[in-house]
Amino acid sequence: GAVVSQHPSRVICKSGTSVKIECRSLDFQATTMFWYRQFPKQSLMLMATSNEGSKATYEQGVEKDKFLINHASLTLSTLTVTSAHPEDSSFYICSAREGDYQPQHFGDGTRLSIL
Amino acid sequence: AQSVTQLGSHVSVSEGALVLLRCNYSSSVPPYLFWYVQYPNQGLQLLLKYTSAATLVKGINGFEAEFKKSETSFHLTKPSAHMSDAAEYFCAVSGYQAGTALIFGKGTTLSVSS
Repeated sequence: GAVVSQHPSRVICKSGTSVKIECRSLDFQATTMFWYRQFPKQSLMLMATSNEGSKATYEQGVEKDKFLINHASLTLSTLTVTSAHPEDSSFYICSAREGDYQPQHFGDGTRLSIL
Repeated sequence: AQSVTQLGSHVSVSEGALVLLRCNYSSSVPPYLFWYVQYPNQGLQLLLKYTSAATLVKGINGFEAEFKKSETSFHLTKPSAHMSDAAEYFCAVSGYQAGTALIFGKGTTLSVSS
């Protein structure tokens, strides 16, 4: 149980393109979803926390107009990287959980490469 | 504030040897603690969790961890390493406030040699 599906798994696109990444909880309702960014050989950096039906809470230093998060239902959250540039290239991972203090379950990540 | 410290960014063991990955936590309230494993180009998979029940927690793939309040530790162990255990391991603690994300350590890379 507790499966989180994330796709696409890999995206390669030109600079200036907007990219949407989907995160779905397949067998549970996720009250909260999280978006992380991970640089090579490093830990996860929390970008934002989103609760269903409300605006996402962004971490300091994360541009909310650059990284648009929508959490329209209890099973789906999307991250849109707007007008992506090479410096946005990274591994993005979503996570979802059923309630506070519960384990977070992770998607398999999206490797974003901006040319 | 909550935090976790993973001692040793890289641990190398031989196949069949004991695996010990160290994690110390700091928490102003009784913590909920987790260990995750990450294989290359994948997300994180939950190995085990401590939620104030038994102090010795058994997880998947033969891993276990012991919560020691006196030492503020939650070290991960496995009696006999397999080649397939080679991965990145993260210790995490629940955020203090409801609605907050897990707080992760910097990770430990486990290498297993034959």
